[in-house]
Amino acid sequence: SQTIHQWPATLVQPVGSPLSLECTVEGTSNPNLYWYRQAAGRGLQLLFYSVGIGQISSEVPQNLSASRPQDRQFILSSKKLLLSDSGFYLCAWTPPSGGIDTQYFGPGTRLTVL
Amino acid sequence: RKEVEQDPGPFNVPEGATVAFNCTYSNSASQSFFWYRQDCRKEPKLLMSVYSSGNEDGRFTAQLNRASQYISLLIRDSKLSDSATYLCAVTTGAGSYQLTFGKGTKLSVIP
Repeated sequence: SQTIHQWPATLVQPVGSPLSLECTVEGTSNPNLYWYRQAAGRGLQLLFYSVGIGQISSEVPQNLSASRPQDRQFILSSKKLLLSDSGFYLCAWTPPSGGIDTQYFGPGTRLTVL
Repeated sequence: RKEVEQDPGPFNVPEGATVAFNCTYSNSASQSFFWYRQDCRKEPKLLMSVYSSGNEDGRFTAQLNRASQYISLLIRDSKLSDSATYLCAVTTGAGSYQLTFGKGTKLSVIP
């Protein structure tokens, strides 16, 4: 069966510090991968998605970036965090392209920027 | 008009009640529809997909109305454990595997 992991679970960072969040999927190959942010009082906002290694599409221009160095690894980064980057960061996956399918979420990382 | 809209609630209902949520979407090319459940400070989890013919899973029934561009979720015989936020999700367009989520409707089932 497939599982998705995210770490860390919680993070408190000062403004201007760098960020690196990691997501890995087990039990599948070539998944589509997604990064979402859920800010307080707001809905899920799609940040990035990837259909393969090194293939990243950005949905919202901002100070965040994503990378996919391995098939089942997706990383969200920032060089300098802003207060507005606080939120609940969720990674999700779907089976490889070829059909519309359900997205399954990891447990998330709760980020607080102070 | 926002892409996907939901009544934020909260819906406070007694145990055993029937409650219904609606979700409207703006993209007529959307093909797939889902309901997710999100517990406080947890990730969303798939509750059910919504098919054109409607579908039922125990106490939960989901329906799609393409003409009016909305989906609905009906929960019968509410349990305390049903308390959560319910998110609807819609594909962004024909053939797309990207989902747009509503902000969610909060349900509280009261003893």
